[in-house]
Amino acid sequence: GDSVTQMEGPVTLSEEAFLTINCTYTATGYPSLFWYVQYPGEGLQLLLKATKADDKGSNKGFEATYRKETTSFHLEKGSVQVSDSAVYFCALRGSSASKIIFGSGTRLSIRP
Amino acid sequence: DAGVIQSPRHEVTEMGQEVTLRCKPISGHNSLFWYRQTMMRGLELLIYFNNNVPIDDSGMPEDRFSAKMPNASFSTLKIQPSEPRDSAVYFCASSLGEGHNYGYTFGSGTRLTVV
Repeated sequence: GDSVTQMEGPVTLSEEAFLTINCTYTATGYPSLFWYVQYPGEGLQLLLKATKADDKGSNKGFEATYRKETTSFHLEKGSVQVSDSAVYFCALRGSSASKIIFGSGTRLSIRP
Repeated sequence: DAGVIQSPRHEVTEMGQEVTLRCKPISGHNSLFWYRQTMMRGLELLIYFNNNVPIDDSGMPEDRFSAKMPNASFSTLKIQPSEPRDSAVYFCASSLGEGHNYGYTFGSGTRLTVV
């Protein structure tokens, strides 16, 4: 079945550092890929998405490119801020699926 | 757009009591999902509905849990009787459709504590 694997956390970085959170997936067909973010005490929020191969999703300085050849959707940001501290979830929705499959989440902490 | 609205935000109840969590999805969204989140088990899908019909309840942990969606604008998740191990944050989410390019919009969650 479809699945998502993302790097285990926690990830701790200094402010203005470069961020990469790895995500790989297994799916049949052509799924859509998502990154969600959960700030403390809140629900998950859609951060960005890509619906076909080579698409790049971007939002709030975050980017991720849908790489079908490597079945990956890594999240990147060039310069993180303390306010980016949160849990990040990679997810996919298969072309024939009614529900989204979420990864286990990666906790990110940014120190000033 | 008010988003997905859940109530209450916090619930503290004694073991054995009935607990009802409520959710109002975004107007026009025809899919609704109930999730549970704990530190130990992460994010778990309990049940989801399409057009008010339950499609997959395989994630409901046991018969103590039940969910209903009497109309397109309201859903409930009920636990009867509640147990301390049910303590978690319960999220409701809705989606515009079943198409693979639709994401979910989550509510702010209900933090349930069973003592």
